[in-house]
Amino acid sequence: QTVVTQEPSLTVSPGGTVTLTCASSTGAVTSGYYPNWFQQKPGQAPRALIYSTSNKHSWTPARFSGSLLGGKAALTLSGVQPEDEAEYYCLLYHGGVQWVFGGGTKLTVL
Amino acid sequence: EVQLVESGGGLVQPGGSLRLSCSASGFTFSSYGMHWVRQAPGKGLEYVSVISGNGGFTYHADSVKGRFTISRDNSKDTLYLQMGSLRAEDTAVYYCVKDVPGGYSFDYWGQGTLVTVSS
Repeated sequence: QTVVTQEPSLTVSPGGTVTLTCASSTGAVTSGYYPNWFQQKPGQAPRALIYSTSNKHSWTPARFSGSLLGGKAALTLSGVQPEDEAEYYCLLYHGGVQWVFGGGTKLTVL
Repeated sequence: EVQLVESGGGLVQPGGSLRLSCSASGFTFSSYGMHWVRQAPGKGLEYVSVISGNGGFTYHADSVKGRFTISRDNSKDTLYLQMGSLRAEDTAVYYCVKDVPGGYSFDYWGQGTLVTVSS
């Protein structure tokens, strides 16, 4: 069974920078995994932020960026705002029509 | 404006059935693959099913294979999830999600509909 692993929790100060990562139990994450990142706030549906590693949706704030880092997918928030406090999920496509979500990272802005 | 509105959730007994619907607007529905994703209370996201734009291809996660069926009616711009042999562990909010152009990624999510399986 394929497992996608994220940091369970991270804390960042307002104005700071933080990087969330997303690893696959199958090996190094590449662009062929089409990494997606989603933000979810309490009581709300998830909102898409990044697709295909580094592409932003029209509504994605400029301070969010996606990349590949050390065999993992990464989401970097630069100049963190208080409203960025949320749960963040990554999604990887493993081929054979198998999409797998990570367990989520709870980001605290403190 | 793209909108996805799920409906059909509710309380159902173990072993029962339920059909979820997702009404789409604001885009050419038949041109995009569509997905169902669920989230158990207090838990993370779990991928459930996908269907191609013309409905000719479907896939279901192992956890629901043989019990759930995804389908679509492009004349009604509506996505469905027929759920059968429901178990307590199927209790979750079910979201419908749209593919980005080109596929392999998601963009728009509905607000979700809650399915509770309990006696």
